[in-house]
Amino acid sequence: SAVISQKPSRDICQRGTSLTIQCQVDSQVTMMFWYRQQPGQSLTLIATANQGSEATYESGFVIDKFPISRPNLTFSTLTVSNMSPEDSSIYLCSVERGRKETQYFGPGTRLLVL
Amino acid sequence: GESVGLHLPTLSVQEGDNSIINCAYSNSASDYFIWYKQESGKGPQFIIDIRSNMDKRQGQRVTVLLNKTVKHLSLQIAATQPGDSAVYFCAEKGPGTALIFGKGTTLSVSS
Repeated sequence: SAVISQKPSRDICQRGTSLTIQCQVDSQVTMMFWYRQQPGQSLTLIATANQGSEATYESGFVIDKFPISRPNLTFSTLTVSNMSPEDSSIYLCSVERGRKETQYFGPGTRLLVL
Repeated sequence: GESVGLHLPTLSVQEGDNSIINCAYSNSASDYFIWYKQESGKGPQFIIDIRSNMDKRQGQRVTVLLNKTVKHLSLQIAATQPGDSAVYFCAEKGPGTALIFGKGTTLSVSS
C-alpha cells in the first residue's frame, strides 16, 4: 500500500478565492492522480500528474480552474481557483503502486465554499 | 460514455449475515477491477482486486467474483460486522485508461 497525507484536511472558503491542496506520499511514485467527490457521489478523475511533465486533464476539467504542480516524485498540489459553491467537494489524491498499478488514496480534503 | 454501476444504492444486513454487493461494468476492454471501502470522513480504502484472467479471488472475509460474460462484478463479505458499515465502490481499469468508479453502495450493518 502507500501512506498518503493531504493538507488541509478540511477548509471553509469564500467564493472567488483559491485554495491549494497538498499531497505527500511516503515514497517515490511516477503517477499521481487528483479526484473530486461531490456530496453523496462517486469519484471523478480531475487530472493525472506525472513528474516533469504537464498534468493531463479529463474532460470537463481545465488547467485554469485546477492548476496542478508536481515538483518531485513524492509531492503534488492541486489548486481550486476562483471558487464557487459548486466546488464544494472532497478532493482526493491517489498514487499507483505495485506491479498491478493498484491505486491508493489519501484521506481527502473536505472543501466547503460559501 | 463508459461507466461502472452498482445495482443497489443501499444494503442493510444484520451482524453475522453474509453481504453481497453487486456491480455491472460496461467496458469489455477493462482488465483490472478493484473494490474500495469508504468510511465516513475518510478516503477510499483498497479491499481486494481481481484481474480479468481470474473469475474469483478471496481475501480475509471477502471474496470478489468476476463474470466477464455478463460484465458483472460482486463483493461478498462473510460474517458482516458493524465495522463493515461504509460505502463500497467498484472500479474498473483498462489498458492505458484511467480508473473509473461506480456509483457506490452504502452498507449498513445492524447489531
